[in-house]
Amino acid sequence: EAQVTQNPRYLITVTGKKLTVTCSQNMNHEYMSWYRQDPGLGLRQIYYSMNVEVTDKGDVPEGYKVSRKEKRNFPLILESPSPNQTSLYFCASGWQASGELFFGEGSRLTVL
Amino acid sequence: GDSVTQMEGPVTLSEEAFLTINCTYTATGYPSLFWYVQYPGEGLQLLLKATKADDKGSNKGFEATYRKETTSFHLEKGSVQVSDSAVYFCALRSPNAGNMLTFGGGTRLMVKP
Repeated sequence: EAQVTQNPRYLITVTGKKLTVTCSQNMNHEYMSWYRQDPGLGLRQIYYSMNVEVTDKGDVPEGYKVSRKEKRNFPLILESPSPNQTSLYFCASGWQASGELFFGEGSRLTVL
Repeated sequence: GDSVTQMEGPVTLSEEAFLTINCTYTATGYPSLFWYVQYPGEGLQLLLKATKADDKGSNKGFEATYRKETTSFHLEKGSVQVSDSAVYFCALRSPNAGNMLTFGGGTRLMVKP
């Protein structure tokens, strides 16, 4: 089954404790992206990757890191999480030409 | 820069009512336009799309027409069901932007039996 898989789905952590949210897709997509969804703010792009070893900042990259060592994986790293990073995070992937994105089910992160 | 503006929700309708969710956009060139839907507890999924002016995208009884003269892509459905309750996002992709989508803020639809 074609899918984008994120883990963990839910996480409560404390300020400053490094965490990684994993994202994996099985559709051989070149493009992958991370978004955060906050009430009243819609979806905002954090980072994206056009292909392996190619990443770039989105609209709200501060406090986040990403890497793209393999085509299927695109982890989101919070080196020192802060309460303002409490949010619902979505990973998405797609083929370059189509514009259609496939989304994971989301990871709800709470930073205390 | 590119932007998408949607009507604010929530939109509350009774079952079988007619639905319109307004979406207007600002972009250079000729963008592709999309509607995504997010059901409770799930990620977004593509509902329909249109790639050029006057195209009509349709799926699951929903329709939207790409109106270049009014820079709009309003979502419509003739008879909504309780199962249509979700958040709807309008989005655009500018030419040569690859998969980079600009999303609107989302509109929550609640359909009552």
